[in-house]
Amino acid sequence: QLQLQESGPGLVKPSETLSLTCTVSGGSISSSSYYWGWIRQPPGKGLEWIGSIYYSGSTYYNPSLKSRVTISVDTSKNLFSLKLSSVTAADTAVYYCARRGTVTNWFDPWGQGTLVTVSS
Amino acid sequence: DIQMTQSPSSLSASVGDRVTISCQASQDIRNYLNWYQQKPGKAPRVLIYDASNLETGVPSRFSGSGSGTDFTFTISSLQPEDIATYYCQHYDNPVITFGQGTRLEIK
Repeated sequence: QLQLQESGPGLVKPSETLSLTCTVSGGSISSSSYYWGWIRQPPGKGLEWIGSIYYSGSTYYNPSLKSRVTISVDTSKNLFSLKLSSVTAADTAVYYCARRGTVTNWFDPWGQGTLVTVSS
Repeated sequence: DIQMTQSPSSLSASVGDRVTISCQASQDIRNYLNWYQQKPGKAPRVLIYDASNLETGVPSRFSGSGSGTDFTFTISSLQPEDIATYYCQHYDNPVITFGQGTRLEIK
């Protein structure tokens, strides 16, 4: 059974770079049938797609975050990563990683989510 | 960019009620729409994919309909365990857009 697990610092200072990793177990990240994505949810608010990556390294970003986001993949370690630069308090959120099919276009499964707080 | 407008933002209903949530796209999105349920402290779970298809294992009281710009998510008979927030999600590969969410409460 495929599982995804987010990891990274729970506290980031304003203006710094948020870095998270999503480790995939129970399956290969190198499948041509899936995108691997990041979604976030500020406390008490809705879901926002951050971006996705294909195993080949092709990336796709939310236009509203594109200038600050970098998503990368490490197929040798079966993980993908998120970097969000110049963070502010507005970037405080639960960050989820999830898989989405290229044909089955919904996110499943999801990681459990990790809360990242931006504060000095 | 395609905008997704979900309504209502919150809803209170009684056990056994029929519940309907709407999602409207700013332009024709065919049937490229999914519906998720999110319970507090949990990741979302897909219930309906491609507008009207029930995901495996999801109770049949959940359904979806619509195409083009107007979509509807329905719970035919609300159960206590259905208390959650529901989101529509459009895909325009590979760009993803979520609706604002509908918080469902028991009256």
